[in-house]
Amino acid sequence: QSVLTQPPSVSAAPGQKVTISCSGTSSNIANNYVSWYQQLPGTAPKLLIYDNDKRPSGIPDRFSGSKSGTSATLGITGLQTGDEADYYCGVWDSSLSTVLFGGGTKLTVL
Amino acid sequence: LQLQESGPGLVKASETLSLTCTVSGGSISSDSYYWGWVRQPPGKGLEWIGSTYYSGTPYYSPSLKSRVTISVDTSKNQLSLKMTSVTAADTAIYYCARHSGIFDFNYWGQGTLVTVS
Repeated sequence: QSVLTQPPSVSAAPGQKVTISCSGTSSNIANNYVSWYQQLPGTAPKLLIYDNDKRPSGIPDRFSGSKSGTSATLGITGLQTGDEADYYCGVWDSSLSTVLFGGGTKLTVL
Repeated sequence: LQLQESGPGLVKASETLSLTCTVSGGSISSDSYYWGWVRQPPGKGLEWIGSTYYSGTPYYSPSLKSRVTISVDTSKNQLSLKMTSVTAADTAIYYCARHSGIFDFNYWGQGTLVTVS
């Protein structure tokens, strides 16, 4: 069981909005920088969000990140079938001295 | 920037896993960037193994620290991973990746599957 807690799955219809949560503690999310990754089937993870809410160049603004206290959230608007993937949050844990990843959330676009 | 992992796809239990990550299109000696390894058991989530700066001391996941060595060869633009005393639990896709000081892994290799028999 991961120290960072994500819902195992979320689903929504094309065009709709979905949010994926990542719950942690004061030693990780609350005081460090959260990243989000998209992993399409059979491919390497891809950075979607870094520094809690920043998007790398080339990532559409349909993807957004936010953080409040010990939780972080990834938002995806205008869902497309191509967004079906596993999504992971990641952050440094200052107490454990390790990088943590959430357990992953499988997004289904119905 | 491209990263490419290479190494044996099959390792016997109790032996040492050795992988290399070749960096092209950029220098592994770049300022401000770190290089790390992340693994993913089949059908499971991501696990950080460790990271290093090209001229610094590597740092490792506490759970793997006793078995792992990460090093950089700047002359070959390569990152390497050695993991000793492997078991079936080490069967995974192994990725090399680049990150900044805030652990945002922004470039990844395609990954290489290592099976421990």
